[in-house]
Amino acid sequence: GQQLNQSPQSMFIQEGEDVSMNCTSSSIFNTWLWYKQDPGEGPVLLIALYKAGELTSNGRLTAQFGTTRKDSFLNISASIPSDVGIYFCAGHLVYGGSQGNLIFGKGTKLSVKP
Amino acid sequence: NAGVTQTPKFQVLKTGQSMTLQCAQDMNHEYMSWYRQDPGMGLRLIHYSVGAGITDQGEVPNGYNVSRSTTEDFPLRLLSAAPSQTSVYFCASSQGSRQYFGPGTRLTVT
Repeated sequence: GQQLNQSPQSMFIQEGEDVSMNCTSSSIFNTWLWYKQDPGEGPVLLIALYKAGELTSNGRLTAQFGTTRKDSFLNISASIPSDVGIYFCAGHLVYGGSQGNLIFGKGTKLSVKP
Repeated sequence: NAGVTQTPKFQVLKTGQSMTLQCAQDMNHEYMSWYRQDPGMGLRLIHYSVGAGITDQGEVPNGYNVSRSTTEDFPLRLLSAAPSQTSVYFCASSQGSRQYFGPGTRLTVT
């Protein structure tokens, strides 16, 4: 099936640090979504992106739809302890896939530095 | 609005048993889907529905059945549970590109 490569797989944050993660694919997407999942909960939508080059913020979170339409980036500024969790990227393919079906990355796990 | 609700929250089955995972949404969304989440595998699509009476297979449909008799409900059936179906199951609904998830059902098959 289609693949989204999400990196890094995991990272440790110290309060106040900025965090960056990204998703890449060999396929073209017409929508990119970023979700956060807390332990024992379902993923919650953070940001949705609809066109190439789009830059959208949600509080301390900023996401960008890559100009090639094959990638997307999420940045978290001045991280706080409640940012800990798993972040997923997801996208709708331009070609292939079925209407409404999202392709998900495998997630980036944010943990607090010991 | 309650959004997307799922029951039960937790379930333990023995191999060969059957059960139905319930999912309901009150947002009048046409599109609903079921995913399973396993460690290191992310979310994988099991089945989906683009409207009442219409269902289709996703990436990992084997061992699961679905039906969509109403817009609101989209149950997932395991006819003969296997240990490989131990996972966390999420139901989602969407209108347009934004998909909203339920809280999940944690299933263990022994």
